[in-house]
Amino acid sequence: GAVVSQHPSRVICKSGTSVKIECRSLDFQATTMFWYRQFPKQSLMLMATSNEGSKATYEQGVEKDKFLINHASLTLSTLTVTSAHPEDSSFYICSVKPQETQYFGPGTRLLVL
Amino acid sequence: KQEVTQIPAALSVPEGENLVLNCSFTDSAIYNLQWFRQDPGKGLTSLLLIQSSQREQTSGRLNASLDKSSGRSTLYIAASQPGDSATYLCAPTHGSSNTGKLIFGQGTTLQVKP
Repeated sequence: GAVVSQHPSRVICKSGTSVKIECRSLDFQATTMFWYRQFPKQSLMLMATSNEGSKATYEQGVEKDKFLINHASLTLSTLTVTSAHPEDSSFYICSVKPQETQYFGPGTRLLVL
Repeated sequence: KQEVTQIPAALSVPEGENLVLNCSFTDSAIYNLQWFRQDPGKGLTSLLLIQSSQREQTSGRLNASLDKSSGRSTLYIAASQPGDSATYLCAPTHGSSNTGKLIFGQGTTLQVKP
């Protein structure tokens, strides 16, 4: 399988600030990474597909100007939550798919005060 | 639009029982389906992947079946152990091509009592 790390694991920020979350593929060169979000007691929802060297593809209803994705290398994708608000508080988790199976990182819990 | 339903939402069993977790999905045009395990506050661990052309997959005490035409998958756990306590998530793909987009159910939270 693939090993995926995320940093930070938890972050607390004030409303209006921006937060950057890193997703690293440690043993696999990932041309594509996926970003999901999970609100409490709800299922994971795909936010966007991150493509190395090109623009991310966002799912319907996800604001691309609010959730900035940069996939600058084959091992790193970043998700920046701009001007975060309390309703952005959630569990953000990324994944890679070397072949058929999808492997997930440990997730980042964001709390916006 | 693919919608995934998992039943039951929660399940509590004594150690040693065999159990079945159910997953249904509305769009049978899938590429594959994965079952994951999620421990509280943690990421997801892949358990089994079933291709759309397959009927079942087995790994240790776990067996997953797929009836694509009826939009159903089941995860069978044999001889349950307290360490199996977690939330189990079913995720078929969005569409029949290998895009990697997964649609998740809300999960079944399992508690296995010693």
